[in-house]
Amino acid sequence: DAGVIQSPRHEVTEMGQEVTLRCKPISGHDYLFWYRQTMMRGLELLIYFNNNVPIDDSGMPEDRFSAKMPNASFSTLKIQPSEPRDSAVYFCASSLVRTGGYTFGSGTRLTVV
Amino acid sequence: GQQVMQIPQYQHVQEGEDFTTYCNSSTTLSNIQWYKQRPGGHPVFLIQLVKSGEVKKQKRLTFQFGEAKKNSSLHITATQTTDVGTYFCAGNNNDMRFGAGTRLTVKP
Repeated sequence: DAGVIQSPRHEVTEMGQEVTLRCKPISGHDYLFWYRQTMMRGLELLIYFNNNVPIDDSGMPEDRFSAKMPNASFSTLKIQPSEPRDSAVYFCASSLVRTGGYTFGSGTRLTVV
Repeated sequence: GQQVMQIPQYQHVQEGEDFTTYCNSSTTLSNIQWYKQRPGGHPVFLIQLVKSGEVKKQKRLTFQFGEAKKNSSLHITATQTTDVGTYFCAGNNNDMRFGAGTRLTVKP
């Protein structure tokens, strides 16, 4: 298995633009998580899905953020409009069970200027 | 809500010295996990502890879960430069919370 695959690896965009981050989880993993990592706030859970259904989105900062999982092999995290304070590394992770070890993707480093 | 505190925030050691990071939860945990993140990399799952008082070893790494299942530690014996990175604990109690991590640097 190639692991959790995220794209793009780096994204630089201007404030106000729409940004879409993509994730392909490990096949067979029923859980998918989106995390954001910054120096100030560490690893923050934004949202997670179970069998493609969003279960907990309480960590999504505001309405500018949205996430979808149209099928078991693909998820997106969208920010519209983007702001400089959204600059961070965004990780996608997947796991077999809710409390099991997570496999993280390589992350997307987002810079909003 | 559940809080997971991790100390120290930073640790700088000479190669060959030991290293320990500690994790404390405000609530009893069902399990605890440890991850390592190399500089510029992503968190990598190391281990999961489930039982009260559990101790597990991976080569030079020793992981412990407290008797009350509210604290845990990771000890590295005789650090090497390859141990450099940030070590995170993640406590599970219906909700998994990551600690802030301990950044380890090793001077050759």
